[in-house]
Amino acid sequence: AQRVTQPEKLLSVFKGAPVELKCNYSYSGSPELFWYVQYSRQRLQLLLRHISRESIKGFTADLNKGETSFHLKKPFAQEEDSAMYYCALSGYSNSGYALNFGKGTSLLVTP
Amino acid sequence: NAGVTQTPKFQVLKTGQSMTLQCAQDMNHNSMYWYRQDPGMGLRLIYYSASEGTTDKGEVPNGYNVSRLNKREFSLRLESAAPSQTSVYFCASKHTNYGYTFGSGTRLTVV
Repeated sequence: AQRVTQPEKLLSVFKGAPVELKCNYSYSGSPELFWYVQYSRQRLQLLLRHISRESIKGFTADLNKGETSFHLKKPFAQEEDSAMYYCALSGYSNSGYALNFGKGTSLLVTP
Repeated sequence: NAGVTQTPKFQVLKTGQSMTLQCAQDMNHNSMYWYRQDPGMGLRLIYYSASEGTTDKGEVPNGYNVSRLNKREFSLRLESAAPSQTSVYFCASKHTNYGYTFGSGTRLTVV
């Protein structure tokens, strides 16, 4: 079955510290993985897609098929990075073809 | 280019009332989706429409109905609202080869 796991509900770091938001997945096939960010009470915004291999706002994420992980990293966190982050997998499940989300990690960057 | 537009942004219903959440996209996307977002649960798929004229149940369809009126519009109907349907509802659309685009959400409270 398709599953996305974000083990941390809340992650608190100091400004300037490195940050890593963990995401693990299970999927029998080639997954299409995303990171979405949601600032306070706003719409979800696409942050990264694994196939584009780009860096947005200093964030990067590498797909590790051996560990079935897609962790989000940033070397120096900024206060404006405080938000809710969702890892998501696009693929087939019992519910058809759609985006399946993890439960999210709330990132708090303190000065 | 408005992207994905949802109306209304806020709504308060009494238990048993009905209402329709509207969603429209102007990106000529084939696939459209309705999610609900609840604290600690992430986003869960309610219904989706892979193309005009087709709709399918997602993970949590009970208590909802949908209509894919045309390629642009995908509405979500609550026939008899219940307090358990208090949530934030997001509509999304997807281009075949690109990521998903989300609307700004509808915050629904059922009292």
